[in-house]
Amino acid sequence: DAGITQSPRHKVTETGTPVTLRCHQTENHRYMYWYRQDPGHGLRLIHYSYGVKDTDKGEVSDGYSVSRSKTEDFLLTLESATSSQTSVYFCATKATSGESYEQYFGPGTRLTVT
Amino acid sequence: QQQVKQSPQSLIVQKGGISIINCAYENTAFDYFPWYQQFPGKGPALLIAIRPDVSEKKEGRFTISFNKSAKQFSLHIMDSQPGDSATYFCAASKSPGNTPLVFGKGTRLSVIA
Repeated sequence: DAGITQSPRHKVTETGTPVTLRCHQTENHRYMYWYRQDPGHGLRLIHYSYGVKDTDKGEVSDGYSVSRSKTEDFLLTLESATSSQTSVYFCATKATSGESYEQYFGPGTRLTVT
Repeated sequence: QQQVKQSPQSLIVQKGGISIINCAYENTAFDYFPWYQQFPGKGPALLIAIRPDVSEKKEGRFTISFNKSAKQFSLHIMDSQPGDSATYFCAASKSPGNTPLVFGKGTRLSVIA
């Protein structure tokens, strides 16, 4: 699992509050990703990072921002949480080297916005 | 626009049978096609992957078949077991290796005894 931890693992929050999810990796992988998983939609990319302070938007980036100040940490922030952001959030990483395209996923964070 | 279409959404197979999950893609620039397996409460994990230079790849009971002209690939699980019950995702990406994976919507497989 490439030493990926996510915190918190579960969170319940109210509409309109800011929320930050943290992804931490110990493998020194260059690339990091945030996905959300919803029934019937599979895994959808929110944002990704290709290096410290280098990030880009994914398919469903509206309402989310990210930051990466260190190789090992990738933060996902919901500026003002909405009920539509209730989901399971997965962080993933990928190494740079060689032919490996494999993405490793963390255990997920279940977020409920009431 | 869904770049990777996966079917069926759910599948029930008898123990010992063959499970088949299909995916179709649109972007001809895709050149890496993995399958991920996800158990309840866990993150997805790579099961098997293929590049378009081969038409088939087998690892144990799991086989990917790839049809470049039809832009389709499929996962076959031979001798399906109850322990294979999980959600399976196909995905695709293009070179270089830093481009994110695009996932299908997933197939929930149940293998019954």
